[in-house]
Amino acid sequence: AQTVTQSQPEMSVQEAETVTLSCTYDTSESDYYLFWYKQPPSRQMILVIRQEAYKQQNATENRFSVNFQKAAKSFSLKISDSQLGDAAMYFCAYRSWMNDKIIFGKGTRLHILP
Amino acid sequence: DAGVIQSPRHEVTEMGQEVTLRCKPISGHDYLFWYRQTMMRGLELLIYFNNNVPIDDSGMPEDRFSAKMPNASFSTLKIQPSEPRDSAVYFCASREDGGNYGYTFGSGTRLTVV
Repeated sequence: AQTVTQSQPEMSVQEAETVTLSCTYDTSESDYYLFWYKQPPSRQMILVIRQEAYKQQNATENRFSVNFQKAAKSFSLKISDSQLGDAAMYFCAYRSWMNDKIIFGKGTRLHILP
Repeated sequence: DAGVIQSPRHEVTEMGQEVTLRCKPISGHDYLFWYRQTMMRGLELLIYFNNNVPIDDSGMPEDRFSAKMPNASFSTLKIQPSEPRDSAVYFCASREDGGNYGYTFGSGTRLTVV
């Protein structure tokens, strides 16, 4: 069975600085999708960025980018120029190409220090 | 598009009572998912539907939980009888068929069983 591990329960970063959230996963499959979701205090789950495993190029969405290392089964999220609105819980997630279920990590709570 | 709509936003009920949570997926989305979020267990998939048919209910904790999707625009998750350990945030999410996408989540229902 696939698992997703986020080893950092909490992190803090100074406003305008860059922070990287770690995620590792375990799978025997070669085709899959990876996601980062953001959950602010409003509890709405918001898709931040996604990556298809067959693509070598790392996905980027404005200030958010990923470092996808397929061999290492690592999928970290980098947030550049951190803003107060980035404060939230961030979840790494995995979905098999053959399956419709998304498996979530336990999350990393990100604090932005003014 | 109004997104995935869940109701109620908050529900407080007494132990032993029946609770019904409701979800309206995004129009045109063929998949609907019910998740439960707790501090201890994180986000757990309870059940999901494809074209109104339940595909995988292996995450449903016990017979007290049931879910239905009578048509493409409505789903319910029922707990009968409710217990204090059912207290959690319940999310509904939907996804269109054929996409390499994550889900679109509703705002969740916070259930408190006293």
